[in-house]
Amino acid sequence: AAGVIQSPRHLIKEKRETATLKCYPIPRHDTVYWYQQGPGQDPQFLISFYEKMQSDKGSIPDRFSAQQFSDYHSELNMSSLELGDSALYFCASSFPRGTEAFFGQGTRLTVV
Amino acid sequence: AQSVTQLGSHVSVSEGALVLLRCNYSSSVPPYLFWYVQYPNQGLQLLLKYTTGATLVKGINGFEAEFKKSETSFHLTKPSAHMSDAAEYFCAVSLGSGYALNFGKGTSLLVTP
Repeated sequence: AAGVIQSPRHLIKEKRETATLKCYPIPRHDTVYWYQQGPGQDPQFLISFYEKMQSDKGSIPDRFSAQQFSDYHSELNMSSLELGDSALYFCASSFPRGTEAFFGQGTRLTVV
Repeated sequence: AQSVTQLGSHVSVSEGALVLLRCNYSSSVPPYLFWYVQYPNQGLQLLLKYTTGATLVKGINGFEAEFKKSETSFHLTKPSAHMSDAAEYFCAVSLGSGYALNFGKGTSLLVTP
């Protein structure tokens, strides 16, 4: 069965650089969520989209932005990267009125 | 606001022994509750969920959990631990369909021979 695809799987950036993470939800899933998991931490909700509109916002820094495109894939844009942004970034998707979210394998971002 | 508290950041059991991972929730509305498992450098895999209906829910890999409203608990159990169960386990709560998950701090399960 198709799963949530995230790219890239690993990314190394320098401080103050910009990064773009991509997420391709499971076909026919209309809701996408982004989470950040710091080392040894629990996942923290950043932002979500439903039918290409932002539906909820969590602890996403102002330096980050995201959008969902017409094909339902989503991108998380991160600017002015800081060392503290080093984390595993997960995307998850759910189907219409679904009760569970399916997670991708994550993108490991390292800021040096 | 919703939150979950996982009691015990590390739990160690012997292979074949009972696994019990504790989770208590706080919610102003009837919660949706979940248990996810995470292996090193992997994504989160759903073990089981409670939304409505039967309070004892069975999941994958022999795990089950019971929703107890009176105790605001959703503890995860497995009768007999396998070495392959060693992983990080997260309890999570949401308001319902389409809402984001609030995760607990996680419990690292160690299974010893």
